[in-house]
Order: sequence, then C-alpha cells, then structure tokens
Amino acid sequence: AQSVSQHNHHVILSEAASLELGCNYSYGGTVNLFWYVQYPGQHLQLLLKYFSGDPLVKGIKGFEAEFIKSKFSFNLRKPSVQWSDTAEYFCAGRAPGRRALTFGSGTRLQVQP
Amino acid sequence: EAQVTQNPRYLITVTGKKLTVTCSQNMNHEYMSWYRQDPGLGLRQIYYSMNVEVTDKGDVPEGYKVSRKEKRNFPLILESPSPNQTSLYFCASSPSGRIAGDTQYFGPGTRLTVL
Repeated sequence: AQSVSQHNHHVILSEAASLELGCNYSYGGTVNLFWYVQYPGQHLQLLLKYFSGDPLVKGIKGFEAEFIKSKFSFNLRKPSVQWSDTAEYFCAGRAPGRRALTFGSGTRLQVQP
Repeated sequence: EAQVTQNPRYLITVTGKKLTVTCSQNMNHEYMSWYRQDPGLGLRQIYYSMNVEVTDKGDVPEGYKVSRKEKRNFPLILESPSPNQTSLYFCASSPSGRIAGDTQYFGPGTRLTVL
C-alpha cells in the first residue's frame, strides 16, 4: 500500500539544538512530497515541497528537506530550533497518478527555552 | 485575504442528529478535499472534489456525504453521526488536483464531538 511514515512521534529539544525529523514514503516513480506544520490551535501550513529538480529543498522559517530517492526519504531539518518552532509536523506525499495526499502520523516537536 | 473557512469551529452533538460542516474558499480553486485528523493516524482523506458536480471517495468515506454545487463551497454532511466520527476535520483546497507540486491550503479545522 502507498504510505508515508514518520518514525519520530514526539521530539523534545532545547533551543539552538539541531533538528532532523524522519519521513519515508513507499511510492515508486515520480512523487510529490510535502512538509506541513501545525502550530497549537492553528491549521496546517505548508513548510516546503518537492516535486522535481534539486533534491535539497528550502522552505520557510529556515527549514529544509532533502529528497533521497535511494532511501525513499524526505527528512526535515533545521540547524537551530527556536521555542516558536514548537508544533506538530506532518510529512505528506502524492503518489504518481493519484490526486490525494497521504499524510504521515505526525511528529510533535517540543522546544524548551 | 485568500483563505479557506470552515463553520462551525467547534460542535458537540448527539448520535444520529444530522449535521453539516461548511467549507468555503475564495481563491477560485478547482480542487477541494475533506480530511479527518485523529491522534497517531495523521490526516486521512474523506472525500474530494475535482470541480463543480465532481466528487469522489477518499480513504475513509463511510458515514459521510459531500456536495459541490458551487466552486467555492464544499460542505461535509454527516447524516447520522456516531461517536467514532468524533474527530478534528479539515477542509483543504488547491488550484488543481492534476498539477504536480500543487499545494493544498487548509482551513482552521472543526472539532466535532459526537456523544
């Protein structure tokens, strides 16, 4: 089955620590991959997306993600997190020929001041 | 301001009492979709619509209905709600569901509790 998986369910970091959240997908072929963020009490916002070209994608708020086809991964990174990055992060993918997005289960990030 | 709006934001109801959650977008988007978000499961698609009068089932359509009579509106209907439909619901829209890299914009969410 086509799926997107996030293995880190809850991550706690101190401010200024580096962040890497894992995302793996199970599709073959050309895929569209996304990272969304959901701040407490708010709706989902797009952080970044990949659909072709440079596998290193830069998004808003200093986030980036690297598409590694051989590993079926699209991990999210940030070199130095801030307290305001406390949120839930969702990886999502769209398989070739499909219209629907498939979301991972989410990773709750807690940044301690 | 470009946005997706949902109403109501919070709703508590009882089993079997029909309800409708409205969704509206002002971006002239063709594609609209409904998701439910449950702890540990992420977001799962309920129904989607490629354009007016064109709707299709997502991954978890049982117990839900939708309609798309106008481009901007995509209401979610629960004819006979049950407690397992207690969830957080999100409406989303995108310019077109066919284009690679098409980004979905999400509404603020509707928290539904069915007693």
